[in-house]
Amino acid sequence: DADVTQTPRNRITKTGKRIMLECSQTKGHDRMYWYRQDPGLGLRLIYYSFDVKDINKGEISDGYSVSRQAQAKFSLSLESAIPNQTALYFCATSDFGGGNEQFFGPGTRLTVL
Amino acid sequence: GDSVTQMEGPVTLSEEAFLTINCTYTATGYPSLFWYVQYPGEGLQLLLKATKADDKGSNKGFEATYRKETTSFHLEKGSVQVSDSAVYFCALSLAGYSTLTFGKGTMLLVSP
Repeated sequence: DADVTQTPRNRITKTGKRIMLECSQTKGHDRMYWYRQDPGLGLRLIYYSFDVKDINKGEISDGYSVSRQAQAKFSLSLESAIPNQTALYFCATSDFGGGNEQFFGPGTRLTVL
Repeated sequence: GDSVTQMEGPVTLSEEAFLTINCTYTATGYPSLFWYVQYPGEGLQLLLKATKADDKGSNKGFEATYRKETTSFHLEKGSVQVSDSAVYFCALSLAGYSTLTFGKGTMLLVSP
């Protein structure tokens, strides 16, 4: 079984809709991250969390919010989706003292019409 | 701010050719450096890393040496295979922080 899972894997929604992307991990890591990937732009950090009570904005947090429901769960919400949020979204985890190596989920492909 | 610059792709090679993907970085401290690989339809996975100057990371026939004097971490492989076709990302992380700063990625296409 995968250590980092993301649901849904694909989602098509309409402008203005609220949508939540979910991430779960069984690695026991404290740290979790959300990235978006766009062609030609690489990966950009949206939010990250170093433990359940810690939430930090990344490079491109506008239009997004997150919730760390438990050590193993980290959700990303788009309160009112817009077309330029169409992208591939990745969740990742890392362990304190793990040499900063991050472990990635399989991604969620989101299309906003 | 900290940044990573990679050569643009796609890089197109024939099987058994030599591969180099260039990566340079700008950082305020002494970063750890990483290469991640993304196979089609999958998430990223760590390929190799180096944590200090002159370290060489290696895995699956790929190598990269941390060059502080040229702020570089170029990825090399002596003989590529079709199965190496993927997108390769160079990344850095500063000591004490676990966020990663990624380059834009380089697509590698290997033909038989």
